[in-house]
Amino acid sequence: DAGVIQSPRHEVTEMGQEVTLRCKPISGHNSLFWYRQTMMRGLELLIYFNNNVPIDDSGMPEDRFSAKMPNASFSTLKIQPSEPRDSAVYFCASTLGGGSGNQPQHFGDGTRLSIL
Amino acid sequence: KQEVTQIPAALSVPEGENLVLNCSFTDSAIYNLQWFRQDPGKGLTSLLLIQSSQREQTSGRLNASLDKSSGRSTLYIAASQPGDSATYLCAVRQETSGSRLTFGEGTQLTVNP
Repeated sequence: DAGVIQSPRHEVTEMGQEVTLRCKPISGHNSLFWYRQTMMRGLELLIYFNNNVPIDDSGMPEDRFSAKMPNASFSTLKIQPSEPRDSAVYFCASTLGGGSGNQPQHFGDGTRLSIL
Repeated sequence: KQEVTQIPAALSVPEGENLVLNCSFTDSAIYNLQWFRQDPGKGLTSLLLIQSSQREQTSGRLNASLDKSSGRSTLYIAASQPGDSATYLCAVRQETSGSRLTFGEGTQLTVNP
């Protein structure tokens, strides 16, 4: 079974540009999570969805960040406009069970984002 | 606010040694605790999940224990191998935080042949 698929794997862009990160969760999973990992702050939850509905977006750093989940098999995280401090590895994860926490989260390999 | 601490930050051991990684958390009102493994350039792989009502979980050479009241968990790795080299992270889910996980900063393990 395919795992969580993220694209692109690497993104290098200039400050001010729009960045769109994509995620395909594991088929049948109904909860999806976006994380950001940096050396300074470790791994932080940005937002999570349950049955395509955003449940907790309190980790989204500011209005420049937005996330959507138009259907059960696809989600995007968009940064507009991007800034150098957004440089990080962004992970998507999915799980089954309404996000109850009884099932482990499965992570994608991440998108390494560099904003110049 | 929940804080998760992992000690040591880095550990280097010879192959074959048994080792223990430590995780502590400040708020004991947790729903469960997970141990993950992260290889360089990769995402996290879930190793073990312990519910708050459980004391330990085992998978192969891995054994994770949980002492909820004291806010501590350990990950025991038996007969370590070079392939165990990775960063190990623990994460807790609060009873009242929905599905939000709070992660520790990880222990970077190197097992030398």
